Amino acid sequence: AQSVTQPDIHITVSEGASLELRCNYSYGATPYLFWYVQSPGQGLQLLLKYFSGDTLVQGIKGFEAEFKRSQSSFNLRKPSVHWSDAAEYFCAGGQAGTALIFGKGTTLSVSS
Amino acid sequence: KAGVTQTPRYLIKTRGQQVTLSCSPISGHRSVSWYQQTPGQGLQFLFEYFSETQRNKGNFPGRFSGRQFSNSRSEMNVSTLELGDSALYLCASSLASATDTQYFGPGTRLTVL
Repeated sequence: AQSVTQPDIHITVSEGASLELRCNYSYGATPYLFWYVQSPGQGLQLLLKYFSGDTLVQGIKGFEAEFKRSQSSFNLRKPSVHWSDAAEYFCAGGQAGTALIFGKGTTLSVSS
Repeated sequence: KAGVTQTPRYLIKTRGQQVTLSCSPISGHRSVSWYQQTPGQGLQFLFEYFSETQRNKGNFPGRFSGRQFSNSRSEMNVSTLELGDSALYLCASSLASATDTQYFGPGTRLTVL
């Protein structure tokens, strides 16, 4: 069955430190892959999207993600975290004609 | 360009009642998807509408239904509410497909007492 898994429920990172959020997918063929962020009381905002081409995708707010077919992963990274990055992050996958499947999310806390 | 709007933003209902939630997509977007978000389950897909037709459906009971109008606005209805239906209901619109970039509304917070 198709699935998207975020192994980490909660991560705490010091401000200024680097960040990596993990996402694994299970699809027969390479899916469309997305990262969304949800700040408290706000709707989801798209950070970046991958379908094909360059496996390193640049997004908004300084985020990037790398698609690794061999590891079925699409991890989100940021070199230096800011306090305003504290939020919940969702990885999602889908294929043409189907619905998106979301991971259960990773809550990011930023310590000073 | 106006974003996705959802009404109402908050609702309190009692068990057994029914509720209708509304979603207005971004102008020009024809695909509307609905999701249920709860702390334990994350975002779960309810259904997707395109050109007034349900194109995909998630694994929810028949108490959950939806429809889309000719102007792409969408409604979802939940009948015979249960306590477990308490959740944030999110609507997302995209140009033509759920794999296009989806733009989410702020959600409707439903509380069932």
